[in-house]
Amino acid sequence: EPEVTQTPSHQVTQMGQEVILRCVPISNHLYFYWYRQILGQKVEFLVSFYNNEISEKSEIFDDQFSVERPDGSNFTLKIRSTKLEDSAMYFCASTSVQGGGTEAFFGQGTRLTVV
Amino acid sequence: DQQVKQNSPSLSVQEGRISILNCDYTNSMFDYFLWYKKYPAEGPTFLISISSIKDKNEDGRFTVFLNKSAKHLSLHIVPSQPGDSAVYFCAASAPYSSNTGKLIFGQGTTLQVKP
Repeated sequence: EPEVTQTPSHQVTQMGQEVILRCVPISNHLYFYWYRQILGQKVEFLVSFYNNEISEKSEIFDDQFSVERPDGSNFTLKIRSTKLEDSAMYFCASTSVQGGGTEAFFGQGTRLTVV
Repeated sequence: DQQVKQNSPSLSVQEGRISILNCDYTNSMFDYFLWYKKYPAEGPTFLISISSIKDKNEDGRFTVFLNKSAKHLSLHIVPSQPGDSAVYFCAASAPYSSNTGKLIFGQGTTLQVKP
């Protein structure tokens, strides 16, 4: 069964450092997303990406965040200068089509710990 | 931003009985609602969705009911099985976000099904 894969599963970084979280979406999917879940809180939307550009982003997704699809398979989330409050589980997701009822496939997540 | 709320953080039921998970929302513009299940150390997995023009959708043991006037939906699992033990998230998408795929999640309800 096709799946979304994320690496690394856990990343520890020092405050102020840059981190790149990597995702390989399902191969024939065209729409890509990042969500995050701070411990004990709800899953929050960060950004959606289609046709090599951001289609929607949340207030959380400020200029410290960027996304990129550098090749045909990877989809990355970069945080330029991490803060303590960026510590969270980050989930990548992809869909084959657009539409509100479309099933989004999620990766297993990357736990980011900023110290 | 509490547009989607799951007011019960946990629910415990006996195997074979019905599990009812509830979700309330505030934005009448939401046009699709989805339920996701999440096991520890895994990403959310799609369960079932419902369009706002319907009041019921059924898939095997899972049925989602939508009451638009009350801005309330519920997920029924019958019969409940121990493997259903997980965190269940209610999610919604709004018409604009139907074009980007953004989902707004509730806080989740932890379901425990006892053998």
